Amino acid sequence: DAGVIQSPRHEVTEMGQEVTLRCKPISGHNSLFWYRQTMMRGLELLIYFNNNVPIDDSGMPEDRFSAKMPNASFSTLKIQPSEPRDSAVYFCASSPYGGAVGSGDTQYFGPGTRLTVL
Amino acid sequence: GENVEQHPSTLSVQEGDSAVIKCTYSDSASNYFPWYKQELGKRPQLIIDIRSNVGEKKDQRIAVTLNKTAKHFSLHITETQPEDSAVYFCAASYGKNFGNEKLTFGTGTRLTIIP
Repeated sequence: DAGVIQSPRHEVTEMGQEVTLRCKPISGHNSLFWYRQTMMRGLELLIYFNNNVPIDDSGMPEDRFSAKMPNASFSTLKIQPSEPRDSAVYFCASSPYGGAVGSGDTQYFGPGTRLTVL
Repeated sequence: GENVEQHPSTLSVQEGDSAVIKCTYSDSASNYFPWYKQELGKRPQLIIDIRSNVGEKKDQRIAVTLNKTAKHFSLHITETQPEDSAVYFCAASYGKNFGNEKLTFGTGTRLTIIP
Protein backbone atom coordinates (compact mmCIF):
# COMPACT_ATOMS: atom_id res chain seq x y z
CA ASP A 1 0.00 0.00 0.00
CA ALA A 2 1.35 3.42 -0.94
CA GLY A 3 -0.04 5.14 2.11
CA VAL A 4 -1.61 8.58 2.11
CA ILE A 5 -0.23 10.69 -0.72
CA GLN A 6 -0.02 14.46 -0.59
CA SER A 7 1.10 16.97 -3.16
CA PRO A 8 2.93 19.18 -3.44
CA ARG A 9 5.42 18.42 -0.65
CA HIS A 10 6.58 22.01 -0.56
CA GLU A 11 4.83 25.14 -1.75
CA VAL A 12 6.15 28.67 -1.69
CA THR A 13 3.79 31.38 -2.81
CA GLU A 14 3.20 35.07 -2.46
CA MET A 15 0.52 36.66 -0.36
CA GLY A 16 -2.77 36.89 -2.22
CA GLN A 17 -2.19 33.88 -4.41
CA GLU A 18 -4.44 30.83 -4.47
CA VAL A 19 -3.00 27.65 -3.06
CA THR A 20 -4.38 24.15 -3.63
CA LEU A 21 -3.19 21.20 -1.61
CA ARG A 22 -4.04 17.68 -2.70
CA CYS A 23 -4.53 14.39 -0.92
CA LYS A 24 -5.11 10.82 -1.95
CA PRO A 25 -6.22 8.66 0.99
CA ILE A 26 -5.39 5.01 1.43
CA SER A 27 -7.59 2.89 -0.80
CA GLY A 28 -10.61 1.59 1.08
CA HIS A 29 -10.46 4.22 3.80
CA ASN A 30 -13.69 6.14 4.10
CA SER A 31 -12.70 8.98 6.42
CA LEU A 32 -10.33 11.79 5.56
CA PHE A 33 -8.95 14.52 7.79
CA TRP A 34 -7.09 17.76 7.08
CA TYR A 35 -4.78 19.10 9.81
CA ARG A 36 -2.56 22.13 10.12
CA GLN A 37 0.57 22.10 12.28
CA THR A 38 2.45 25.13 13.54
CA MET A 39 4.80 25.67 16.45
CA MET A 40 2.41 28.11 18.05
CA ARG A 41 -0.87 26.23 17.67
CA GLY A 42 0.26 22.60 17.46
CA LEU A 43 -1.76 20.11 15.46
CA GLU A 44 -5.19 21.46 14.58
CA LEU A 45 -8.01 19.62 12.83
CA LEU A 46 -9.40 21.78 10.04
CA ILE A 47 -12.10 19.57 8.54
CA TYR A 48 -12.97 15.93 8.15
CA PHE A 49 -15.02 13.89 5.71
CA ASN A 50 -16.80 10.60 6.07
CA ASN A 51 -17.77 8.82 2.87
CA ASN A 52 -16.91 12.01 0.95
CA VAL A 53 -19.31 14.11 3.02
CA PRO A 54 -17.94 16.93 5.21
CA ILE A 55 -18.82 16.10 8.80
CA ASP A 56 -17.16 18.86 10.80
CA ASP A 57 -15.55 21.99 9.40
CA SER A 58 -15.51 23.95 12.63
CA GLY A 59 -11.73 24.08 12.54
CA MET A 60 -11.54 25.88 9.22
CA PRO A 61 -10.03 29.26 10.12
CA GLU A 62 -12.13 31.45 7.88
CA ASP A 63 -13.81 31.72 4.52
CA ARG A 64 -10.50 31.84 2.74
CA PHE A 65 -10.20 28.11 3.39
CA SER A 66 -12.29 25.53 1.56
CA ALA A 67 -12.07 21.77 1.17
CA LYS A 68 -13.66 19.30 -1.18
CA MET A 69 -13.78 15.57 -1.58
CA PRO A 70 -15.33 14.84 -4.98
CA ASN A 71 -14.70 11.10 -4.70
CA ALA A 72 -13.30 8.50 -2.34
CA SER A 73 -9.76 8.79 -3.67
CA PHE A 74 -9.16 12.53 -3.79
CA SER A 75 -9.49 15.64 -1.68
CA THR A 76 -8.32 19.22 -1.97
CA LEU A 77 -7.74 22.01 0.51
CA LYS A 78 -7.77 25.45 -1.05
CA ILE A 79 -6.67 28.76 0.39
CA GLN A 80 -7.72 31.87 -1.48
CA PRO A 81 -6.28 34.41 -0.99
CA SER A 82 -3.30 33.13 0.97
CA GLU A 83 -1.71 35.14 3.79
CA PRO A 84 1.67 34.83 5.55
CA ARG A 85 -0.06 33.53 8.70
CA ASP A 86 -1.21 30.51 6.69
CA SER A 87 2.38 29.28 6.58
CA ALA A 88 2.39 25.84 8.20
CA VAL A 89 2.63 22.14 7.50
CA TYR A 90 -0.67 20.75 6.28
CA PHE A 91 -1.30 17.07 6.88
CA CYS A 92 -3.94 14.86 5.39
CA ALA A 93 -4.87 11.66 7.21
CA SER A 94 -7.23 8.82 6.41
CA SER A 95 -8.94 6.18 8.48
CA PRO A 96 -10.79 3.00 7.60
CA TYR A 97 -13.59 3.48 10.07
CA GLY A 98 -17.01 4.93 9.50
CA GLY A 99 -19.54 3.11 11.58
CA ALA A 100 -21.38 3.52 14.84
CA VAL A 101 -20.78 6.15 17.45
CA GLY A 102 -18.54 5.12 20.24
CA SER A 103 -15.61 3.62 18.44
CA GLY A 104 -12.49 5.01 16.95
CA ASP A 105 -9.76 3.88 14.67
CA THR A 106 -6.27 4.64 13.57
CA GLN A 107 -5.59 7.68 11.46
CA TYR A 108 -2.75 7.34 8.97
CA PHE A 109 -1.00 10.57 8.12
CA GLY A 110 0.43 11.63 4.82
CA PRO A 111 3.91 13.19 4.57
CA GLY A 112 2.50 16.71 4.72
CA THR A 113 2.78 19.82 2.59
CA ARG A 114 5.01 22.58 3.89
CA LEU A 115 3.40 25.85 2.84
CA THR A 116 5.28 29.12 2.95
CA VAL A 117 3.41 32.32 2.11
CA LEU A 118 5.70 35.29 1.56
CA GLY B 1 -15.97 19.87 22.76
CA GLU B 2 -13.11 17.74 23.94
CA ASN B 3 -10.06 19.30 25.55
CA VAL B 4 -6.82 17.34 25.95
CA GLU B 5 -3.98 18.55 28.14
CA GLN B 6 -0.53 17.01 27.94
CA HIS B 7 2.43 17.22 30.33
CA PRO B 8 5.29 17.79 30.37
CA SER B 9 5.99 19.85 27.27
CA THR B 10 9.64 18.79 27.30
CA LEU B 11 11.31 15.81 28.91
CA SER B 12 14.93 14.75 29.00
CA VAL B 13 15.96 11.34 30.30
CA GLN B 14 19.18 9.38 30.38
CA GLU B 15 19.42 6.52 27.93
CA GLY B 16 18.16 3.37 29.56
CA ASP B 17 15.87 5.18 32.00
CA SER B 18 12.08 5.32 31.73
CA ALA B 19 9.97 8.18 30.41
CA VAL B 20 6.36 8.95 31.34
CA ILE B 21 4.06 11.37 29.55
CA LYS B 22 0.62 12.19 30.95
CA CYS B 23 -2.60 13.42 29.39
CA THR B 24 -5.98 14.40 30.73
CA TYR B 25 -9.20 14.78 28.78
CA SER B 26 -12.48 16.47 29.48
CA ASP B 27 -15.19 14.53 27.67
CA SER B 28 -16.25 11.45 29.60
CA ALA B 29 -17.74 10.05 26.38
CA SER B 30 -14.32 9.73 24.77
CA ASN B 31 -13.28 6.12 24.47
CA TYR B 32 -10.33 5.91 22.11
CA PHE B 33 -6.88 7.20 23.06
CA PRO B 34 -4.01 6.90 20.58
CA TRP B 35 -0.42 8.06 20.96
CA TYR B 36 1.54 9.38 18.01
CA LYS B 37 5.28 9.85 17.60
CA GLN B 38 6.59 12.56 15.31
CA GLU B 39 10.24 12.75 14.39
CA LEU B 40 11.68 16.00 13.12
CA GLY B 41 10.34 16.81 9.67
CA LYS B 42 8.26 13.64 9.52
CA ARG B 43 4.60 12.77 9.81
CA PRO B 44 2.92 11.72 13.06
CA GLN B 45 2.82 7.94 13.33
CA LEU B 46 0.73 5.83 15.66
CA ILE B 47 2.79 3.94 18.21
CA ILE B 48 0.12 2.57 20.51
CA ASP B 49 -3.54 3.09 21.31
CA ILE B 50 -6.02 2.05 23.98
CA ARG B 51 -9.77 1.81 24.13
CA SER B 52 -11.94 2.48 27.14
CA ASN B 53 -12.67 -1.15 27.88
CA VAL B 54 -9.00 -1.76 28.67
CA GLY B 55 -6.94 -0.33 31.54
CA GLU B 56 -3.47 -1.04 30.22
CA LYS B 57 -1.81 -2.10 27.00
CA LYS B 58 1.81 -3.00 26.30
CA ASP B 59 3.89 -3.32 23.19
CA GLN B 60 7.49 -4.22 23.92
CA ARG B 61 9.05 -1.16 25.60
CA ILE B 62 5.92 0.96 25.30
CA ALA B 63 2.85 0.85 27.50
CA VAL B 64 -0.23 2.99 27.91
CA THR B 65 -2.49 3.14 30.96
CA LEU B 66 -5.98 4.57 31.16
CA ASN B 67 -7.97 5.74 34.17
CA LYS B 68 -11.47 6.55 32.93
CA THR B 69 -12.70 7.66 36.32
CA ALA B 70 -10.00 10.28 36.60
CA LYS B 71 -10.02 10.94 32.85
CA HIS B 72 -6.32 10.58 32.35
CA PHE B 73 -4.02 8.31 30.41
CA SER B 74 -0.26 7.94 30.27
CA LEU B 75 2.48 6.72 27.97
CA HIS B 76 5.36 4.79 29.49
CA ILE B 77 8.58 4.10 27.63
CA THR B 78 11.07 1.81 29.34
CA GLU B 79 14.75 1.25 28.57
CA THR B 80 14.83 4.40 26.46
CA GLN B 81 17.08 4.55 23.41
CA PRO B 82 18.34 7.49 21.33
CA GLU B 83 15.83 6.69 18.58
CA ASP B 84 13.03 7.38 21.05
CA SER B 85 13.89 11.09 20.81
CA ALA B 86 10.88 12.74 19.13
CA VAL B 87 7.72 14.68 19.85
CA TYR B 88 4.91 12.56 21.27
CA PHE B 89 1.25 13.48 20.99
CA CYS B 90 -1.66 12.02 22.87
CA ALA B 91 -5.18 12.26 21.50
CA ALA B 92 -8.75 11.45 22.45
CA SER B 93 -11.66 10.67 20.24
CA TYR B 94 -14.83 12.70 20.19
CA GLY B 95 -17.41 11.57 17.68
CA LYS B 96 -20.69 13.46 17.51
CA ASN B 97 -22.46 11.55 14.82
CA PHE B 98 -22.44 8.24 13.08
CA GLY B 99 -19.12 9.03 11.61
CA ASN B 100 -15.53 8.43 12.31
CA GLU B 101 -13.89 9.85 15.32
CA LYS B 102 -12.61 13.38 15.45
CA LEU B 103 -9.32 13.20 17.32
CA THR B 104 -8.39 16.04 19.63
CA PHE B 105 -4.64 16.19 20.12
CA GLY B 106 -2.59 17.28 23.09
CA THR B 107 0.07 19.93 22.62
CA GLY B 108 2.93 17.45 22.42
CA THR B 109 5.93 16.43 24.52
CA ARG B 110 9.43 16.81 23.16
CA LEU B 111 11.36 13.83 24.50
CA THR B 112 15.14 13.92 24.39
CA ILE B 113 17.19 10.85 25.26
CA ILE B 114 20.61 11.75 26.59
CA PRO B 115 23.28 9.20 25.58
